[in-house]
Amino acid sequence: AQKITQTQPGMFVQEKEAVTLDCTYDTSDQSYGLFWYKQPSSGEMIFLIYQGSYDEQNATEGRYSLNFQKARKSANLVISASQLGDSAMYFCAMREPLFMDSNYQLIWGAGTKLIIKP
Amino acid sequence: DSGVTQTPKHLITATGQRVTLRCSPRSGDLSVYWYQQSLDQGLQFLIQYYNGEERAKGNILERFSAQQFPDLHSELNLSSLELGDSALYFCASSAPGQVRGELFFGEGSRLTVL
Repeated sequence: AQKITQTQPGMFVQEKEAVTLDCTYDTSDQSYGLFWYKQPSSGEMIFLIYQGSYDEQNATEGRYSLNFQKARKSANLVISASQLGDSAMYFCAMREPLFMDSNYQLIWGAGTKLIIKP
Repeated sequence: DSGVTQTPKHLITATGQRVTLRCSPRSGDLSVYWYQQSLDQGLQFLIQYYNGEERAKGNILERFSAQQFPDLHSELNLSSLELGDSALYFCASSAPGQVRGELFFGEGSRLTVL
């Protein structure tokens, strides 16, 4: 069965510090994709970053990077130089199989609530 | 702005009633997904449509139904509403033929059942 685990229900981080949000996943498939989404208090879901299981390098998108450790089945999100606007819920999600053209259904973790302190 | 439009943004209704949530996907996207997010919980997949046809079904109650129309907009119908149906309902769309295939979400429809 597919499963995404986010072990940190909530985190407090000082502004300008880096923060790592944990995500582990469980799959028997070799082909999968991992996503991180941000949900601010306003409610919308915002795509942040993607890592494919065959990607050799860790994904980066601006201040976001994904620490992908395939053998450990972990895909931690790293936010560098945190800002007050980073306060939000963060969700890790997985899609498998990767190459099915029409089905992009995602399996979601429970989320981590990140609060940035000034 | 993701390009996905959901209406209404907020809806308050009573138990036993029926409501319809509407979603317009991004231009060119063929897939529409519906998700339910209850308070302080992750997203639960309800149903997916691809180019007008039901493609995948998740934990959708029998009281709920959905469809995707020829113009690709979608509607989620919730009937015989119960207090526990209060949630944020998201619609998302994705483009065909994309390896990455990230979902683009609307702002959600917040349903409150009293």
